[in-house]
Amino acid sequence: ETGVTQSPTHLIKTRGQQVTLRCSSQSGHNTVSWYQQALGQGPQFIFQYYREEENGRGNFPPRFSGLQFPNYSSELNVNALELDDSALYLCASSPALAGGTDEQFFGPGTRLTVL
Amino acid sequence: AQSVTQPDIHITVSEGASLELRCNYSYGATPYLFWYVQSPGQGLQLLLKYFSGDTLVQGIKGFEAEFKRSQSSFNLRKPSVHWSDAAEYFCAVVGSSNTGKLIFGQGTTLQVKP
Repeated sequence: ETGVTQSPTHLIKTRGQQVTLRCSSQSGHNTVSWYQQALGQGPQFIFQYYREEENGRGNFPPRFSGLQFPNYSSELNVNALELDDSALYLCASSPALAGGTDEQFFGPGTRLTVL
Repeated sequence: AQSVTQPDIHITVSEGASLELRCNYSYGATPYLFWYVQSPGQGLQLLLKYFSGDTLVQGIKGFEAEFKRSQSSFNLRKPSVHWSDAAEYFCAVVGSSNTGKLIFGQGTTLQVKP
């Protein structure tokens, strides 16, 4: 069984650019959540997708957007990058609508550096 | 608003010694609580979780945690620490029963001395 995978592993961008991060969920999982983890901090919830629809969003501006595809893989897009967007971006999948009790399985993350 | 506090940013213990990592939460209803571990370059791995029932829960790698509603705490323990336990530990609570949004604490870095 393949776990959650994310690409790329590392990425360097400059302020104002746009970036797309990708996540392949674990086989059989139809819910994907994205988290931002700044250095020395705990992960912060960005949003969640369930069956291609956004299902919950954290306190992030609209320039953070996402997609979920029919195969349940997902993208996180960030427009107009700012220095504070530098962080580890984690994707997590779960086997159903994560109504609290379902374990979320995390990928290794994408390290984004904004210069 | 829901929140999680991990009072200890950094803890150092000797190999073979016991370990307790503290976690306090703020949540109005019955919380769903989790402990995750993150090794360098790795994603988060679930150690254990509490939903209801027995307040002492067992997890992987010899870890356990005790839910104390009166103290709003969910402390993680291990009787004997191994050098491979050195990592970052995060306590988390589910913020909403509909979205499964995890709210994490700041994390505790565990260093193990030989």
